[in-house]
Amino acid sequence: EAGVAQSPRYKIIEKRQSVAFWCNPISGHATLYWYQQILGQGPKLLIQFQNNGVVDDSQLPKDRFSAERLKGVDSTLKIQPAKLEDSAVYLCASRGTVNTEAFFGQGTRLTVV
Amino acid sequence: GNSVTQMEGPVTLSEEAFLTINCTYTATGYPSLFWYVQYPGEGLQLLLKATKADDKGSNKGFEATYRKETTSFHLEKGSVQVSDSAVYFCALSDSLRGSYIPTFGRGTSLIVHP
Repeated sequence: EAGVAQSPRYKIIEKRQSVAFWCNPISGHATLYWYQQILGQGPKLLIQFQNNGVVDDSQLPKDRFSAERLKGVDSTLKIQPAKLEDSAVYLCASRGTVNTEAFFGQGTRLTVV
Repeated sequence: GNSVTQMEGPVTLSEEAFLTINCTYTATGYPSLFWYVQYPGEGLQLLLKATKADDKGSNKGFEATYRKETTSFHLEKGSVQVSDSAVYFCALSDSLRGSYIPTFGRGTSLIVHP
């Protein structure tokens, strides 16, 4: 079974530029999460989708971050404009209805300079 | 709200030493508990889990027991190897309103020397 796929693996941008990350969850997983992991800290939830609907986006900085999952499968996370403090690893995870645990992709490491 | 507290690292051990990484939690419901491991440059991999009180999760020589009375889920291994060097995250997932939202601790770095 294929795991959670994310791209790109690495991205370097200048502050005030925009960037987008892509995630393809495990086939059949209705729940998809985006997490932000700052160096030396645990992952922090940004947004949770159930199919194509948002369940929780209370921690998403909506003035600059946006996410969508239009067809209930792939998802994109966008930052516009980026700030230096957005430098982090962005992790995508998915969960199936029979699982209590989430399965994670390898993440995208973003560096804002 | 939900939260997870882990012991601070790094934990530095010699090969074949005994490992304990402490984890305590606060949750409003009846959470499932997890340990994830993160190797350098990689995402998080599930190491083990326990879904109800007194359950013991185990995998690759690691164990953790869900202790509801002490709200703890400490990770243990009898004999660590150099290849166990990684960052370990304790997490909980609470089925509040039917949505499982994993909440993570800060992570504990483990360094094992030959």
